[in-house]
Amino acid sequence: GAVVSQHPSWVICKSGTSVKIECRSLDFQATTMFWYRQFPKQSLMLMATSNEGSKATYEQGVEKDKFLINHASLTLSTLTVTSAHPEDSSFYICSAAPGRNEQYFGPGTRLTVT
Amino acid sequence: AQTVTQSQPEMSVQEAETVTLSCTYDTSENNYYLFWYKQPPSRQMILVIRQEAYKQQNATENRFSVNFQKAAKSFSLKISDSQLGDTAMYFCAFMNMGGSEKLVFGKGTKLTVNP
Repeated sequence: GAVVSQHPSWVICKSGTSVKIECRSLDFQATTMFWYRQFPKQSLMLMATSNEGSKATYEQGVEKDKFLINHASLTLSTLTVTSAHPEDSSFYICSAAPGRNEQYFGPGTRLTVT
Repeated sequence: AQTVTQSQPEMSVQEAETVTLSCTYDTSENNYYLFWYKQPPSRQMILVIRQEAYKQQNATENRFSVNFQKAAKSFSLKISDSQLGDTAMYFCAFMNMGGSEKLVFGKGTKLTVNP
């Protein structure tokens, strides 16, 4: 149980285009989902917290207009990187919290912007 | 704000031996959770062990155990009988109880198990 999926696992896009990453909790409902960014050989950096049906809360320094988060249902959250640039290339990880002071992580999405 | 410090960027251990990874944290809260996560080369984050701060007994999961010292704000992970599959990045993390369920991560320790 407690499986979280992410799609796609790897995406390459051209500079200036937008890309959407999906995060789904497959066997539980997630009241809260989190989006992280991880640079090579570094720790996870929390980008934003999303609650179903409400606006996401972004961490300081994260551009909310560039990283659009939509938590459409209790099992789905999406992260859209708008007008992507090469510096947005990174590994993006989502996690889902069923409300028991636990987080379950997706397998991550590698974004490469050319 | 809470902070989590992992002072060992890299460690190595021989297969079948025991290794201890260090973690200290800073908080003014009394009730919280502490976690160790493993991130193997696949980059999937895997929960290794979890400790509730109100529990005095140290958590144990098979070959993994913790030494939780609340007063010292220390939370070390001991891996016994190390296996090659234990090679991974290990992250210590903190979560406030009853809060937003946000995790605060340390910078990680890269553990290599040598045959």
